Amino acid sequence: EVQLVESGGGLVQPGRSLKLSCAASGFTFSNYGMAWVCQAPTKGLEWVASISTGGGNTYYRDSVKGRFTISRDNAKNTLYLQMDSLRSEDTATYYCARNWFDYWGQGVMVTVSS
Amino acid sequence: DVVMTQTPVSLSLAIGQPASISCKSSQSLLGTSGKTFLNWILQRPGQSPKRLIYQVSKLYSEVPDRFSGSGSETEFTLKISRVEAEDLGVYYCWQGTHFPNTFGAGTKLELK
Repeated sequence: EVQLVESGGGLVQPGRSLKLSCAASGFTFSNYGMAWVCQAPTKGLEWVASISTGGGNTYYRDSVKGRFTISRDNAKNTLYLQMDSLRSEDTATYYCARNWFDYWGQGVMVTVSS
Repeated sequence: DVVMTQTPVSLSLAIGQPASISCKSSQSLLGTSGKTFLNWILQRPGQSPKRLIYQVSKLYSEVPDRFSGSGSETEFTLKISRVEAEDLGVYYCWQGTHFPNTFGAGTKLELK
């Protein structure tokens, strides 16, 4: 059974950093591109970032480019999202998903507030 | 970015009634591969999204056949032949043909 389990969310002050993790199991992690998708409170879904199977290619939405870094450790079957210079508008639930959005994690809440 | 426009915003239906949700894209979603990467997902209340349909009309294996998808180019439709209680939630279309992937704003299906 495919499972994606996010962790690392929480309350953080504007300008600070947070690192999300997503532990994958039930499939060959290194064979799949992966992505992060966010959902602001009571809002719809927005793609945030994607990473290729080997990690050599990364892609970001404009609003997070230069602030967020997606990475992966295929030996640990884990996806990461390093979030720096956080802003109040980054407040959302962040989901880890396989690249074609066929499987999603349960999500982790990130709240950016002073 | 490709804009995905879903209608209606919400739908209130009784069990057993049919449902239809429209999704229109600002550009053709027919890719250079000849495939159209228009997909549907469902987010039930309090849950993470779940896959439903990929490439316009292909149901994932666990999805009941009361669901169907159709359309081409810029206009797509999700239909439920007879709504059941487990179908309530927010339906999103999303496109994977053009970078970046973009989602519709969602259609909330409520039970009457």
